[in-house]
Amino acid sequence: GAVVSQHPSRVICKSGTSVKIECRSLDFQATTMFWYRQFPKKSLMLMATSNEGSKATYEQGVEKDKFLINHASLTLSTLTVTSAHPEDSSFYICSASIRETGELFFGEGSRLTVL
Amino acid sequence: GQNIDQPTEMTATEGAIVQINCTYQTSGFNGLFWYQQHAGEAPTFLSYNVLDGLEEKGRFSSFLSRSKGYSYLLLKELQMKDSASYLCAAMDSNYQLIWGAGTKLIIKP
Repeated sequence: GAVVSQHPSRVICKSGTSVKIECRSLDFQATTMFWYRQFPKKSLMLMATSNEGSKATYEQGVEKDKFLINHASLTLSTLTVTSAHPEDSSFYICSASIRETGELFFGEGSRLTVL
Repeated sequence: GQNIDQPTEMTATEGAIVQINCTYQTSGFNGLFWYQQHAGEAPTFLSYNVLDGLEEKGRFSSFLSRSKGYSYLLLKELQMKDSASYLCAAMDSNYQLIWGAGTKLIIKP
């Protein structure tokens, strides 16, 4: 089946620094990619929808300037957590959809720890 | 508004059958998804229903009734490894996924 690769799987950074997480669709073109955040024992929280070549659509309550999303190509979307703080520590997951079938494939997730 | 409802937690016995229900209300409808998620891992795709009826895949089956806004995931011959959260998600007319909060399934020996 289709594969979505997410990198890095784990990252630890100091407070105030920025961290970039990549999401790649390896064997299909993803016109739309989604970014989620998941808190412990909670369901996925959609942060933003990323469409190739256009600005991301952010969900209510998600800071656009803090969580920068770029979808420069049909196979790559990036999430940059700027000026990270300990409360940004979380599990971030991306997904990509195949438009023809609507099926959604998830990356492996990235666990961010901000010290 | 758009809404997905599914039970928070269910418990079942190894070898038994369990049914996890999901009701949805969305602006338009383009399918109903079920995902399995083990703790600390990303969700994995289980099923996709867009037409009414039952889809069977091995021990897992998924049912959809569009007129009732209702779906269920049926797991047969339960194994300990089936202990996980099961997420129901409905796709609206804009191809956006509306997620349920997930059902934590606990399997007991």
